[in-house]
Amino acid sequence: SQKIEQNSEALNIQEGKTATLTCNYTNYSPAYLQWYRQDPGRGPVFLLLIRENEKEKRKERLKVTFDTTLKQSLFHITASQPADSATYLCASHQFYFGTGTSLTVIP
Amino acid sequence: NAGVTQTPKFQVLKTGQSMTLQCAQDMNHEYMSWYRQDPGMGLRLIHYSVGAGITDQGEVPNGYNVSRSTTEDFPLRLLSAAPSQTSVYFCASSFLAGTYNEQFFGPGTRLTVL
Repeated sequence: SQKIEQNSEALNIQEGKTATLTCNYTNYSPAYLQWYRQDPGRGPVFLLLIRENEKEKRKERLKVTFDTTLKQSLFHITASQPADSATYLCASHQFYFGTGTSLTVIP
Repeated sequence: NAGVTQTPKFQVLKTGQSMTLQCAQDMNHEYMSWYRQDPGMGLRLIHYSVGAGITDQGEVPNGYNVSRSTTEDFPLRLLSAAPSQTSVYFCASSFLAGTYNEQFFGPGTRLTVL
């Protein structure tokens, strides 16, 4: 069956460093992947979408890559800030979501 | 615009009771969906709709019913609540289904079934 997998282990990084989160997919080839941010007690909020023919997408301090050979998307937050602390979800085709990776940025 | 609204925010039910979770959007979106979110399981699709009068099942539809009589509203019905339905429920909408459109999520309903 189609699967989206994210590292369930929480990620802790120092303020100012770059956070890198991973999303892997198996048993299918999504036409695009989306990344969402979710804060405790709230619904997910859309951040970025990357299509399969795009290698990289940027938005301010955010960067997403899509490697169809590795079947993987990487989500980077540069110059991280404590306000970036949240859970980040990877999704494809509007239906399939990963379990999310919790990020904590330590001041 | 209020975006996607959900009511209630919290609900406690006894096993066997029924209830309806309300969802509404004011963005004229065609596509609406319901997810449940459980620890370690991520968001799982329950039901979705690509327009008024059209609904379909997602990954985990058992125990839930939906209808879509208007573009704005997409209620989720639990006919006979079970403890396994204890979860956080999110409603979402997007402009069109199956295209490169972001989903807008509501604030969620936290449901506990005793």
